[in-house]
Amino acid sequence: GAVVSQHPSRVICKSGTSVKIECRSLDFQATTMFWYRQFPKQSLMLMATSNEGSKATYEQGVEKDKFLINHASLTLSTLTVTSAHPEDSSFYICSARGDPLGEQYFGPGTRLTVT
Amino acid sequence: DQQVKQNSPSLSVQEGRISILNCDYTNSMFDYFLWYKKYPAEGPTFLISISSIKDKNEDGRFTVFLNKSAKHLSLHIVPSQPGDSAVYFCAASGNTDKLIFGTGTRLQVFP
Repeated sequence: GAVVSQHPSRVICKSGTSVKIECRSLDFQATTMFWYRQFPKQSLMLMATSNEGSKATYEQGVEKDKFLINHASLTLSTLTVTSAHPEDSSFYICSARGDPLGEQYFGPGTRLTVT
Repeated sequence: DQQVKQNSPSLSVQEGRISILNCDYTNSMFDYFLWYKKYPAEGPTFLISISSIKDKNEDGRFTVFLNKSAKHLSLHIVPSQPGDSAVYFCAASGNTDKLIFGTGTRLQVFP
């Protein structure tokens, strides 16, 4: 149980375009989903926290207009990188939690490369 | 400001021996600590956790030790197996939802 999927697993896009990444909880209802970014050889950095049906809470330094997060249902959250630039190239990982006191379950990640 | 630090970027251990991965933190408000294992191009998978009310938690080959006064925790894997080769992240949380991750330690277990 507690499986989280992400789609796509890998995406290459041109500078200036937008990319949408989906995060789904497959066998549980995720009241809270988290989006992380990991640069090579660095830590996972929390970008934002989203609760179903409400606006996401962004971490300091993360542009909410650039990284649009939607958590419209209890099993799906999306992260849209708008007007992507090469410096946005990174590994994006989501996690989901059903129980407020429970563990976060991580998706497999999405490798974004902006050319 | 790196609140959770893993000062050893890599560790190499022979199969069958003990692997000890270390983690230090600076925020005294952290009260829950976790270890994750991560393979390349995959998301982290949860290994073991410990609450600040404990100083040790054991699960099979994995044991986590917490020294609150030193703000230090460690993960012991014994005996180490080649399949344990991965990057290990420690993470900490306090009175918020947020998990703060360390920078990871790459463990290689050789035969």
